[in-house]
Amino acid sequence: GIQVEQSPPDLILQEGANSTLRCNFSDSVNNLQWFHQNPWGQLINLFYIPSGTKQNGRLSATTVATERYSLLYISSSQTTDSGVYFCAVAPSDYKLSFGAGTTVTVRA
Amino acid sequence: GAVVSQHPSRVICKSGTSVKIECRSLDFQATTMFWYRQFPKQSLMLMATSNEGSKATYEQGVEKDKFLINHASLTLSTLTVTSAHPEDSSFYICSALLAASSYEQYFGPGTRLTVT
Repeated sequence: GIQVEQSPPDLILQEGANSTLRCNFSDSVNNLQWFHQNPWGQLINLFYIPSGTKQNGRLSATTVATERYSLLYISSSQTTDSGVYFCAVAPSDYKLSFGAGTTVTVRA
Repeated sequence: GAVVSQHPSRVICKSGTSVKIECRSLDFQATTMFWYRQFPKQSLMLMATSNEGSKATYEQGVEKDKFLINHASLTLSTLTVTSAHPEDSSFYICSALLAASSYEQYFGPGTRLTVT
């Protein structure tokens, strides 16, 4: 099956800092989604981005499908940004394969 | 829009009993839903794909007789854990495809199952 690697595994930030999370995948994909899992376990959709660039407030994402990677940018981080960020991809069908996640801790 | 609910949010049951978890798409119809399992500090693992009006398809290694899935309507899928054992304790999360033309999935808030 498709392999999904996220880096770094852990990230500690000071409030106000910027950061970049990376997702590498081993095959071409029809779906790539970024999620934020909050402390209660809810997965919050951040981006549906199989290719291209999108922005939503302080977050933005870029997927370079030909090179099989995606980046999630967090700018001016806030304590509420803490949690686990997952990248998930689906090759030719709807089934998502998740990366191991990046645990982000933002300190005040 | 695109809200998915799960019920219950938390359940404790005794070994040998069965427990049913409901997944509902509240503001859209979902012909396809998915069930995932997440162990502490780990990622999500797809268990099965639930299609309205047809049998679920299970991922390799998932016991279909233990994890019964029913997708009886366009807004409801259920997962029944039968004859539960402590090793079935986990966080179960469902998701729904927003539309047949889109691959985007929306996730429910999850159900934490503890088997004593």
